[in-house]
Amino acid sequence: RKEVEQDPGPFNVPEGATVAFNCTYSNSASQSFFWYRQDCRKEPKLLMSVYSSGNEDGRFTAQLNRASQYISLLIRDSKLSDSATYLCVVILNTGGFKTIFGAGTRLFVKA
Amino acid sequence: DGGITQSPKYLFRKEGQNVTLSCEQNLNHDAMYWYRQDPGQGLRLIYYSQIVNDFQKGDIAEGYSVSREKKESFPLTVTSAQKNPTAFYLCATRTGGSGNQPQHFGDGTRLSIL
Repeated sequence: RKEVEQDPGPFNVPEGATVAFNCTYSNSASQSFFWYRQDCRKEPKLLMSVYSSGNEDGRFTAQLNRASQYISLLIRDSKLSDSATYLCVVILNTGGFKTIFGAGTRLFVKA
Repeated sequence: DGGITQSPKYLFRKEGQNVTLSCEQNLNHDAMYWYRQDPGQGLRLIYYSQIVNDFQKGDIAEGYSVSREKKESFPLTVTSAQKNPTAFYLCATRTGGSGNQPQHFGDGTRLSIL
């Protein structure tokens, strides 16, 4: 089983739609959680951190459920510019810190 | 990301040739990482370094070598032993101290075989 698993993509949605990405992690030593965005042929960029209390940044909402070892990212009112691959990222604390990247979910937003 | 410079942006390698990819940072970050990304695939860790003069192998270190003589620099050499080097290579950094800080990436180097 992979340490971080994401929804298989791609997701194809119309502009204005709400889209949700899910991610599960298997190691209970997971300490910190993030969502990154990667545009085609570009580097990944940090989108937002994820906290148990939930956090929101404009149209984006991230949520962490430690009991279920589950992370989510919700995008409301999708824009064409949201088309990208979204990576779920977990930092493990097992004596040292190790960053695990999910394989990513591709999103296409259509006009 | 501002502060992390990878060069060159594109690189071509001939058979049997070693090539070196540069990664320089002015963020004063302790940890530096090299990843490889193949088309449509996720990131795979090649090497990482937590402090100067120390580095560890990642998941796919064979055919690669690194050095960390200065905090600012973490060059990656793709040796002739790496038989399938064509990929997108990404350098990342992370501040030390607290372990819950995310990595930040340079804009990558695309390596192709001639």
